[in-house]
Amino acid sequence: GAGVSQSPSNKVTEKGKDVELRCDPISGHTALYWYRQSLGQGLEFLIYFQGNSAPDKSGLPSDRFSAERTGGSVSTLTIQRTQQEDSAVYLCATPRGGGDEQYFGPGTRLTVT
Amino acid sequence: QKEVEQNSGPLSVPEGAIASLNCTYSDRGSQSFFWYRQYSGKSPELIMFIYSNGDKEDGRFTAQLNKASQYVSLLIRDSQPSDSATYLCAVNRRDSGYALNFGKGTSLLVTP
Repeated sequence: GAGVSQSPSNKVTEKGKDVELRCDPISGHTALYWYRQSLGQGLEFLIYFQGNSAPDKSGLPSDRFSAERTGGSVSTLTIQRTQQEDSAVYLCATPRGGGDEQYFGPGTRLTVT
Repeated sequence: QKEVEQNSGPLSVPEGAIASLNCTYSDRGSQSFFWYRQYSGKSPELIMFIYSNGDKEDGRFTAQLNKASQYVSLLIRDSQPSDSATYLCAVNRRDSGYALNFGKGTSLLVTP
């Protein structure tokens, strides 16, 4: 597609439930990045994909977080046993064109009650 | 932890004035520098990027980079109320596939 899309746009879940967030990137790019933006914390890097592999998972805040990418395209970020501190906007970004500039999707606002 | 520092503001400038936003970074090996604009409730929008020392101009925006001082700035000429937003400075990481380290942003308010 022409841009990065994410779904759902909003997700409210109860503490302890699992959630899946989806990113559908700009087609044709192998790199894909997940970030999280929390109130007062700014934008923090979570994980990146090169194709279907994730060489660096060190940004994931705990082992409750995992991500996968299939077919070099769609990526899902899964949070198990959600906690209130997981409440944030989760953003996906990919490059566009030949440079390493990153373009963001609209984000998923996750609220854990 | 490689850091990117910005003054949180708010920076208030009158309409038509020049807004100057500043950013410092700690990783001397960083190669790529970005400015994003973020309106409340929206995702960041890339407005400028710069890779070489000096100035880069695009319309009303000028990005300035000084690698020796580890300093990046964004100038907005003829500021408009629609420029009121949070401006995020980002620096690429040499590890993690060139993921970005972000500053916490500077809030800009342009008053009519």
